[in-house]
Amino acid sequence: GQQVMQIPQYQHVQEGEDFTTYCNSSTTLSNIQWYKQRPGGHPVFLIQLVKSGEVKKQKRLTFQFGEAKKNSSLHITATQTTDVGTYFCAVPSGTYKYIFGTGTRLKVLA
Amino acid sequence: DGGITQSPKYLFRKEGQNVTLSCEQNLNHDAMYWYRQDPGQGLRLIYYSQIVNDFQKGDIAEGYSVSREKKESFPLTVTSAQKNPTAFYLCASSFQGSNQPQHFGDGTRLSIL
Repeated sequence: GQQVMQIPQYQHVQEGEDFTTYCNSSTTLSNIQWYKQRPGGHPVFLIQLVKSGEVKKQKRLTFQFGEAKKNSSLHITATQTTDVGTYFCAVPSGTYKYIFGTGTRLKVLA
Repeated sequence: DGGITQSPKYLFRKEGQNVTLSCEQNLNHDAMYWYRQDPGQGLRLIYYSQIVNDFQKGDIAEGYSVSREKKESFPLTVTSAQKNPTAFYLCASSFQGSNQPQHFGDGTRLSIL
């Protein structure tokens, strides 16, 4: 069946350092979504990527969809303490449901 | 204000007891989902529903049951057959289709007494 791997599992950075999480699928994707879950909170939708090689930016966050549409990355420039949380990718599985990656937990040290 | 409301926030279950988690949305979404999240883990799909009176099993449906009698409501029952129910349960909703973002409730934390 379809598998989604997300790496790294954990990342500790000093405030101001950059951070990147990667999501890899075993199959070609029609789209990929990214969510952020703050500690003790619920996942919040960040963005959806659809096109091959697509790059989207949200302030300090840069999202990229691979050319083969089998992988994606989320890059945060100059991390802040507000970036703390777990970042999940989610990929379609069939018509009506998504599979979530295991997440990358980010800790930012002030 | 539109959103998804889950209740209760915390729930305790005794051995052999069924408990029901509530999920209500006023976003006019057709699709609703239940996920289970264990500490430090990702989200695993329990059940999902695309329209009223129809629902499908997700990846870990054993020991759970749902109903979808109204568009706004998708309650989840954790039955006594679920031997390890302690987890964080998240309800989500979206418009129908494979490229729609999901909106999540605040979750219910279920523990065994």
